[in-house]
Amino acid sequence: EAGVTQFPSHSVIEKGQTVTLRCDPISGHDNLYWYRRVMGKEIKFLLHFVKESKQDESGMPNNRFLAERTGGTYSTLKVQPAELEDSGVYFCASSQAAGTSTNVLTFGAGSRLTVL
Amino acid sequence: EDQVTQSPEALRLQEGESSSLNCSYTVSGLRGLFWYRQDPGKGPEFLFTLYSAGEEKEKERLKATLTKKESFLHITAPKPEDSATYLCAVRGSGGSNYKLTFGKGTLLTVNP
Repeated sequence: EAGVTQFPSHSVIEKGQTVTLRCDPISGHDNLYWYRRVMGKEIKFLLHFVKESKQDESGMPNNRFLAERTGGTYSTLKVQPAELEDSGVYFCASSQAAGTSTNVLTFGAGSRLTVL
Repeated sequence: EDQVTQSPEALRLQEGESSSLNCSYTVSGLRGLFWYRQDPGKGPEFLFTLYSAGEEKEKERLKATLTKKESFLHITAPKPEDSATYLCAVRGSGGSNYKLTFGKGTLLTVNP
């Protein structure tokens, strides 16, 4: 079974530019999540999709961040315009439908974003 | 607001030297405490889920335990390949049913 795939693995951009991160979840996983780890801090929740619908986006920092999940498959996270404080590692995770035994999050390797 | 504090921040052990990692938490209605392992350049890899005080789970040299305020990850006779960052996370009843709150992690180094 293929795991959660994220692209790119590392992106370096200048302040004010736009970056789009992509996540391909495990096939059949309805739930998709974005998390972020800023240097020196803990991994923090950004948002949660159930299929194509945003279930919870309480962790999104501001309106410069836009997440989409077209057709309930892959997801993109766009940062526009990027600021220095957006630097960090963005993790995507997916899980099966509700039920404690199947709701284990499987994480991707992350996309490291560096804003100069 | 759910909170997770892990200690120590870093731990260096000799191969075969057993020890424990601590995860203290405050959560509104615990719906699961999770331990993950993270290797450099990779995402967190699931180890255990604990749901109620007194519960224990084991996997190879690792054993996780849970009380009402904290969880311990016991490492017995560790090997160099156990070196990694160990992350603790909780899921509470408030907010999203699937949202995890993480601690900063414990960086474990096992020397041969």
